[in-house]
Amino acid sequence: DGGITQSPKYLFRKEGQNVTLSCEQNLNHDAMYWYRQDPGQGLRLIYYSQIVNDFQKGDIAEGYSVSREKKESFPLTVTSAQKNPTAFYLCASSMSGSEAFFGQGTRLTVV
Amino acid sequence: GEDVEQSLFLSVREGDSSVINCTYTDSSSTYLYWYKQEPGAGLQLLTYIFSNMDMKQDQRLTVLLNKKDKHLSLRIADTQTGDSAIYFCAESLNNTDKLIFGTGTRLQVFP
Repeated sequence: DGGITQSPKYLFRKEGQNVTLSCEQNLNHDAMYWYRQDPGQGLRLIYYSQIVNDFQKGDIAEGYSVSREKKESFPLTVTSAQKNPTAFYLCASSMSGSEAFFGQGTRLTVV
Repeated sequence: GEDVEQSLFLSVREGDSSVINCTYTDSSSTYLYWYKQEPGAGLQLLTYIFSNMDMKQDQRLTVLLNKKDKHLSLRIADTQTGDSAIYFCAESLNNTDKLIFGTGTRLQVFP
């Protein structure tokens, strides 16, 4: 089945730790995105990538890093520099100029 | 600048029509989308409209676009309890793959 897969579904992080969220797609999409969702707020763009080996900062990139070594994969690392990382993280992918397809999300909690 | 706004809540009786509104600021939008999010899940594309269209109908869903006022609406006919969710509008900007989301409208359907 074609789709976009995020893992894990739930993730717990101790303060000061880096964690990496996985996002994989087999839709042959060029573009991939990471969004953060907080209660009562819309989706805020963290990073996006339009092509392999290239990515751009979104509106809230501070404290996050990404890589795009393969077309299928766009992992997001939440670093210790991100002061308030508890949120729901959504990954998406799209063909250029078309609608985005979303994964089921990863809920990250700092303990 | 890029900004998409929605009202936060809407409550309707089962069987009535729901109208969810959205305003956007960027006049270079090419496509405008409506997504649905159920609790703890990713976003599901409901429908979209190209910026040179005024209306699009798809079964119980009707999208109206007033480009002059930069206003988009989603009408759900015969609203059911299964329609209870958060609805996001989003715009894609001309010549980019970037999607800008609204804050989301929580639709609650009561019997």
